[in-house]
Order: sequence, then structure tokens, then C-alpha cells
Amino acid sequence: AQSVSQHNHHVILSEAASLELGCNYSYGGTVNLFWYVQYPGQHLQLLLKYFSGDPLVKGIKGFEAEFIKSKFSFNLRKPSVQWSDTAEYFCAVTPKGGGNKLTFGTGTQLKVEL
Amino acid sequence: DADVTQTPRNRITKTGKRIMLECSQTKGHDRMYWYRQDPGLGLRLIYYSFDVKDINKGEISDGYSVSRQAQAKFSLSLESAIPNQTALYFCATSVAISSYNEQFFGPGTRLTVL
Repeated sequence: AQSVSQHNHHVILSEAASLELGCNYSYGGTVNLFWYVQYPGQHLQLLLKYFSGDPLVKGIKGFEAEFIKSKFSFNLRKPSVQWSDTAEYFCAVTPKGGGNKLTFGTGTQLKVEL
Repeated sequence: DADVTQTPRNRITKTGKRIMLECSQTKGHDRMYWYRQDPGLGLRLIYYSFDVKDINKGEISDGYSVSRQAQAKFSLSLESAIPNQTALYFCATSVAISSYNEQFFGPGTRLTVL
């Protein structure tokens, strides 16, 4: 079975700081990878996804993530965070062709201070 | 996402009571899922259904049951609620095309079991 690790549980940044959230997965085959965001009091929304092709994927609101197959990683980045980026971020993985069963990481709570 | 609705949004109940959480979707998706979210644990899959006649257990199905009444409706029941089932519950949907595993989430139901 697959698993996902997010090592940063809580991150506090000042506005305009750069962001990188780590995500590592464990699975023996090929996978699809996702980052979801949950703003306070809201449901999960897709930030970006990787299925194949260019390992650097761009999502909404200036976020991007890089898939490094050799490191089983899919880290989320943003060059300059805003206060409105305060949210919880979840990395998720699903095996290709194995159905849509997502396995989520435990989440990273990001707080951006003014 | 307004296309996936959950009722109720909040529920407080007592130990031993039977509770049903409902999920409806207007996205026309075949696949539906129930997750629970606990602080520090991320989202964990309870049950999933790939069509009306296909229901499968997720990683934490004990104490829960589901019913897929129609393509658009997927209900989660707690037969005899216990306090450690206090959590935020999310319903999600996805298309059946295996290459596109993005899931769309409802707004969540906050359940408290006293």
C-alpha cells in the first residue's frame, strides 16, 4: 500500500517569504500526485496535480510543485507567500490505474503573518 | 464545491445513537468517497463506491456503513456512535476515467459524539 509523509506539520512565514513544503511518498509503482489546500472553514480544493510529462507543474495562485521520481518527492513551492495563503496543505497520491483511492499525508498548517 | 453537498453541516449526538450523513452531487460522477479528517492525521478513507452496485471498504471502515442510493447520492451511517468518531467528515466524487483521478470535495460535516 502507498503512504505519504509530510514532514512539516506547522510552518509560520512572513508575507513575501518563499515557501517549500515537503512531500514524500512510498509506493513501488507509478503514481499520480496531488496537492490540495484547505482554507480555514472551507473544504479541500485542488491546487495542482501531476500525472505525467513535465515534472514541474504549475497550479493556481502561483503555486508549483516538482516531481522528483528518484527521491519519491513532490514538494510544493511558492516564491512569495501572501497572508491569504494561510491554510492547511495536503499532499496526496494514488496509484496509476488502481482506482481513485487517494492516500493523504497528515497535512501542513501554514500561517502567513503580515 | 457547490456541486457536492453534504447534510447536515454540523451534528452533535450522544454515544450509542445511530447517525446518517448524506452526500449528494450534481457533477454526474460515478465515483464517490467518504473520508474523515482528524487533526494531525490528515484525511483517511472510510468507504468508496465506483458505481451504484460497487461499494468498497477503505482503511478505516469499522463502525461505519454506507449506502449508494443512486449515482448522485452516497450516505454514511454510524450504527452506534462513539466519541472517537468525533471528526470532520468529507464526501468526494470523481470521474471514472482512470487517468483523471482528481477528486472534488464537499463542504464537510462536523460531527461531535458526546
